[in-house]
Amino acid sequence: KNQVEQSPQSLIILEGKNCTLQCNYTVSPFSNLRWYKQDTGRGPVSLTIMTFSENTKSNGRYTATLDADTKQSSLHITASQLSDSASYICVVSLDQTGANNLFFGTGTRLTVIP
Amino acid sequence: EPEVTQTPSHQVTQMGQEVILRCVPISNHLYFYWYRQILGQKVEFLVSFYNNEISEKSEIFDDQFSVERPDGSNFTLKIRSTKLEDSAMYFCASSLNSRRTGNNEQFFGPGTRLTVL
Repeated sequence: KNQVEQSPQSLIILEGKNCTLQCNYTVSPFSNLRWYKQDTGRGPVSLTIMTFSENTKSNGRYTATLDADTKQSSLHITASQLSDSASYICVVSLDQTGANNLFFGTGTRLTVIP
Repeated sequence: EPEVTQTPSHQVTQMGQEVILRCVPISNHLYFYWYRQILGQKVEFLVSFYNNEISEKSEIFDDQFSVERPDGSNFTLKIRSTKLEDSAMYFCASSLNSRRTGNNEQFFGPGTRLTVL
């Protein structure tokens, strides 16, 4: 069964600190993995995308890693800011055209406090 | 930068009433999607649409739901007789193409919060 699991469910950190969010998946055949940021009451916005051959991808203070062998990914946030408070969703794509090919994790709710 | 838009941002309705949620996908995109997210739960796929017909739907998308692209720009989700459990955020998304090696990234709209009383 195609599934995406994320941990922790929620996280509270102090402003300026780093944190790492985890994602494990069983989606197959795998096409790519994206990390999305979802602000409260808003739609998901893509942060990074990685294909099978990519191990790491950065977008500013966000760095995602992918281990396709163990089917694990992480999102590392450096020097957190108050605006980083949001849900971070791991989304894995099936290698499938046209129809639904996205599998969503439950997300990690990150709260950055001053 | 082009974006997916959705209206209304919040819809309140009585149980049993029909609602239509509207979306304007990115203009050159060919694939359209509806998702829902019940408060505190993960985003769930409802339906995908291509070439004026449904290409895939989930078990959530029962006979109470329908989608339509009435003109060249709008993409709508209709719920015929709303139930309390239909209360959720509904997200529209669109993607450019379906090539396996191409850019099939889905761009999401801001969502419509549906509250069924």
